[in-house]
Amino acid sequence: VLTQTPLSLSVTPGQPASISCKSSQSLQHSDGKTYLYWYLQKPGQPPHLLIYEVSSRFSGVPDRFSGSGSGTDFTLKISRVEAEDAGVYSCMQSRKLPWTFGQGTKVEIK
Amino acid sequence: QVRLVESGGGLVKPGGSLTLSCTASGFTFSDYYMSWLRQAPGKGLESVSYISDGTRYTNYAESVRGRFSISRDDAKKSLFLQMNSLTADDTAVYFCAKQDASGSYYVNWGQGTLVIVSS
Repeated sequence: VLTQTPLSLSVTPGQPASISCKSSQSLQHSDGKTYLYWYLQKPGQPPHLLIYEVSSRFSGVPDRFSGSGSGTDFTLKISRVEAEDAGVYSCMQSRKLPWTFGQGTKVEIK
Repeated sequence: QVRLVESGGGLVKPGGSLTLSCTASGFTFSDYYMSWLRQAPGKGLESVSYISDGTRYTNYAESVRGRFSISRDDAKKSLFLQMNSLTADDTAVYFCAKQDASGSYYVNWGQGTLVIVSS
């Protein structure tokens, strides 16, 4: 089970934001990789990948997005929120089947 | 670029059946694991099913096992989801997704197709 906090966040542009994702089991595999990912879903759109394997930014993702953590505790940080960052952020694990998502964190821009 | 287009959604009565399709372009379809996910209104994302390249492996969420069947036609670059014995709990937007080359995450998604199960 992946548990995200907070479930909603209202942020002023230019301010930082942080979302936590806690797993009930370690997401580190014996191959050394940790199978934790972050997606952003903007209104009316499908999710798109932001971060893979905890901390690697996907192609085209701005460097204001960063991921960190290990084992069971993970964090997504936005260093300076912009208006286009509004949406629902979800963590996902693919360590074990079935791949599961957190409940999602709705980020609103003030 | 990668493009995934779902179709086949609509209104269906409880107990009914529906088949969703996903047409892919922009990549070598036969080389990749493909998946179906869904998102119920106001809810989070749920992985429904996946199928490996070459159709060697399939997997289903417990909530749909025995009722849904995933398949693919590599010649037509298409993915399918046959859904039987539908209930109100199956009401959702259904997304087709391509997995990455290592089969570790969803890298591309379609826009989704809405399935409503209601009498």
